Amino acid sequence: GAVVSQHPSWVICKSGTSVKIECRSLDFQATTMFWYRQFPKQSLMLMATSNEGSKATYEQGVEKDKFLINHASLTLSTLTVTSAHPEDSSFYICSASPGTQFGYTFGSGTRLTVV
Amino acid sequence: DQQVKQNSPSLSVQEGRISILNCDYTNSMFDYFLWYKKYPAEGPTFLISISSIKDKNEDGRFTVFLNKSAKHLSLHIVPSQPGDSAVYFCAASAQAGANNLFFGTGTRLTVIP
Repeated sequence: GAVVSQHPSWVICKSGTSVKIECRSLDFQATTMFWYRQFPKQSLMLMATSNEGSKATYEQGVEKDKFLINHASLTLSTLTVTSAHPEDSSFYICSASPGTQFGYTFGSGTRLTVV
Repeated sequence: DQQVKQNSPSLSVQEGRISILNCDYTNSMFDYFLWYKKYPAEGPTFLISISSIKDKNEDGRFTVFLNKSAKHLSLHIVPSQPGDSAVYFCAASAQAGANNLFFGTGTRLTVIP
């Protein structure tokens, strides 16, 4: 089946530093990948849509200069949280669809803690 | 504004009994619905889906019912097993396979042995 690999699974960083999260589709090509964020006891919220070879589309309220997305190949999208602050601490999850009718495949998520 | 709602944050069920998880939506453009199961510190895993042309889809112990007029769907798990204990998210899309998903806030199911 379709597999999406996300790395790292958890990261702790200091305020003001940048963190890069990778999302890879292992056995299919994904021209589009999605990045979600989940705060405790809240729903998964779409942050942005990553498009291979073009600019990402950001949802309202998401700062594109803070959350840099690069989709340089058909199997890799990266999310960089720049100048991280404690309020950026969250669970970040990527997903992609292999194009079938039966749902999206999600990465295992990245728990980011900014101290 | 939350377009997909799961009004029950938690549900406890005895092993062997039926679990019923409910989901309501407000956007009439949604025509494809999915249920995901999520364990702590893991990404959601796809469970079952239904398109708006159907009112029921069954896969083993899992059945999803869709009532379009009420903008309501439900997931039935029978019989419930302790391994089913997880958070269940309902999600909706205006198009299968391509567009982004709108998620509910999740229902934590606990199946008591």
